[in-house]
Amino acid sequence: TQLLEQSPQFLSIQEGENLTVYCNSSSVFSSLQWYRQEPGEGPVLLVTVVTGGEVKKLKRLTFQFGDARKDSSLHITAAQPGDTGLYLCAGPLWGFNDMRFGAGTRLTVKP
Amino acid sequence: GAVVSQHPSRVICKSGTSVKIECRSLDFQATTMFWYRQFPKQSLMLMATSNEGSKATYEQGVEKDKFLINHASLTLSTLTVTSAHPEDSSFYICSARKRERTDTQYFGPGTRLTVL
Repeated sequence: TQLLEQSPQFLSIQEGENLTVYCNSSSVFSSLQWYRQEPGEGPVLLVTVVTGGEVKKLKRLTFQFGDARKDSSLHITAAQPGDTGLYLCAGPLWGFNDMRFGAGTRLTVKP
Repeated sequence: GAVVSQHPSRVICKSGTSVKIECRSLDFQATTMFWYRQFPKQSLMLMATSNEGSKATYEQGVEKDKFLINHASLTLSTLTVTSAHPEDSSFYICSARKRERTDTQYFGPGTRLTVL
C-alpha cells in the first residue's frame, strides 16, 4: 500500500476541460511537492506546499495543501495538450527527511 | 536554480558487462542523492540513498553488490550496474537534495539502460 494515494490513476480529457488530481494520506506530512514527468524525462518540480491550508497558483494550475497536512490537490483549468504527463505528489513525513512518492496520475489531454 | 544532469542519457550494453551512470548537481551542493528505477508507465521506485562521503543506504530488495553507488563529492554520485542482465533494462533516475532544503528533490533527466 502506498503512503500517498493518488487518484485518479489515469485521466483522459479533451483540451479545454478542467480537472482535479488528488493526493491523500492518513499520515501528516511536513510539506508536499508536485512533479510532472513527461515520457523519457525526469520529473520536474512544479510546486512545494508547506503550510496547512495553503493554496498556490501557477498559471492554470492551482495547488492546495489540506488543513491537516494529510492531503493535497492539483486543479488544472482549461487543460492543454502540453499538460499531458505523469503527475506525482511526494513529501517527507512529519519528523522525517526521506521523501515518499505517490504512484502518480497519468494525464492525457487530447487536442 | 537547481539543475541535475545525468550521463549517459541512453546506453545499450551486452549482457554481463557493467555500466556506470553519473549524476551531477550543476549549480548546488547535494549532500544527499537518490537513485530511482522506473518501469514503463509506473511510478518511481527508490533504490538507494547516498550521502556524500558515506556508504549508500539500499532499499529492501535492492542488491548492493549489483548496484554499486559512490557519492565521492558534493556534486557527483555514480551508479554502476554490474554484470548487467536484460532484466536490469529500465529507466534510471537520480535526484539531489540541497543541504538547506531537505523537503525537495531535484531530478535528473534519467538514463535509459537497455541490456541485450
